Amino acid sequence: GESVGLHLPTLSVQEGDNSIINCAYSNSASDYFIWYKQESGKGPQFIIDIRSNMDKRQGQRVTVLLNKTVKHLSLQIAATQPGDSAVYFCAENIPGANSKLTFGKGITLSVRP
Amino acid sequence: NAGVMQNPRHLVRRRGQEARLRCSPMKGHSHVYWYRQLPEEGLKFMVYLQKENIIDESGMPKERFSAEFPKEGPSILRIQQVVRGDSAAYFCASSPPGRETQYFGPGTRLLVL
Repeated sequence: GESVGLHLPTLSVQEGDNSIINCAYSNSASDYFIWYKQESGKGPQFIIDIRSNMDKRQGQRVTVLLNKTVKHLSLQIAATQPGDSAVYFCAENIPGANSKLTFGKGITLSVRP
Repeated sequence: NAGVMQNPRHLVRRRGQEARLRCSPMKGHSHVYWYRQLPEEGLKFMVYLQKENIIDESGMPKERFSAEFPKEGPSILRIQQVVRGDSAAYFCASSPPGRETQYFGPGTRLLVL
C-alpha cells in the first residue's frame, strides 16, 4: 500500500489567504521529502524539499514543516494566488531504496478569486 | 539550461503495437527515473537508470516493459504489445550524481485504443 498519503483530496481557498496542505507518511526511516506541484497536462514541478534532520524550511512564499514524531509533513503557501491552483504531491525517499520516490495521491488546490 | 525533455508528448497506439518513449535528462544529470501516473493518482516508480546500467527496476512489470539509457542518446522506455491498461502518463525525471532531488519532464501521455 501507499506509504505516503494526503488527508484531503481537495482544498479551496480564497485568493490572498494562506494555504496549508498536509501529508502523512508511514515510513519512519524516510529521510528526505519533496513537495511537487502539478498543473493540468504538465509534469510535476519541484517546489521545496526538506531533510529529516530539519523541521522547517522556507522558500519564496512557501514553507515546509516536518514533524517526525507524528510522521507529518505540511506545505504552507502564503498569500495564495490563482497561479497556485494545481495538484500538490508530497514524496518521500527511503534510504537504501535507490533514490526512488514514493508519492501520495495528490491534493487539488483551488483558489477562488 | 533546458529542463528534462520527453517526446512524444502524446502517443496513440492500437492494442498489440509497440510504444517507445524517449527522455533526455537535464544537462549534467546522469541519473534517470521513469514513473507512471494513472488518472487522479500519484506517480508510481518504475525504473532507475544510470548510463548503460539499470540500477533498480523493481517497479517495472515483468513482461512487455523494458528501459535503457545508452552511453549516447536519450533514455528509452519501451512497451511491447500494448494493452488498454497501459494507457497512462509516463514521466521521466533526472538528477545529478550525488543529489536526491529529481526534476521531471512534461511527460508522455499514452493512449491505447
